[in-house]
Amino acid sequence: DSGVTQTPKHLITATGQRVTLRCSPRSGDLSVYWYQQSLDQGLQFLIQYYNGEERAKGNILERFSAQQFPDLHSELNLSSLELGDSALYFCASSVGGAADTQYFGPGTRLTVL
Amino acid sequence: GENVEQHPSTLSVQEGDSAVIKCTYSDSASNYFPWYKQELGKRPQLIIDIRSNVGEKKDQRIAVTLNKTAKHFSLHITETQPEDSAVYFCAADNYGGSQGNLIFGKGTKLSVKP
Repeated sequence: DSGVTQTPKHLITATGQRVTLRCSPRSGDLSVYWYQQSLDQGLQFLIQYYNGEERAKGNILERFSAQQFPDLHSELNLSSLELGDSALYFCASSVGGAADTQYFGPGTRLTVL
Repeated sequence: GENVEQHPSTLSVQEGDSAVIKCTYSDSASNYFPWYKQELGKRPQLIIDIRSNVGEKKDQRIAVTLNKTAKHFSLHITETQPEDSAVYFCAADNYGGSQGNLIFGKGTKLSVKP
């Protein structure tokens, strides 16, 4: 157990819908990262937050957004869902904002039908 | 930004043999290189990492080597066991770590045959 928690574990929804994924970092970690892993694909970096502020942005679609709250948990919002959005979404956390060890949560498996 | 290439994409070895996975990166400013192991449907787990002030690091049967001049790093697993079967990802920090996020290779599926 890495200490990073994610909810829900599984999510099944329809095209066009909107969902919210939640992540709680390890105690003491200030950075939260979101990654997308599609079938047989690697880990694609989406976005990073550090102590409530957006720190870095990767290949995140405009339909996706995220935020980090004062208690440091983070939410990833996915809207106007398409079939191709079906994937595993991982959250990771680290102590600082740069080049620190990242610990991954168990992931949320999103299925868009 | 950083780009990480990983080879091979699949690797099959006999139990007890060694396995080597190689990665190259593009940004000479990168200085943090972790390796993650991911079993099917589970989270990536850090198995070893190396920073640019070190050329080699070892932890029991696992070792990582780094050649900053050539911009490549490798994972070595000795005396492989069936439980080593998984997908292994290498990564490098982006923009020399100034942004914190990691850029991952596409992964190597390692199969260890009993």
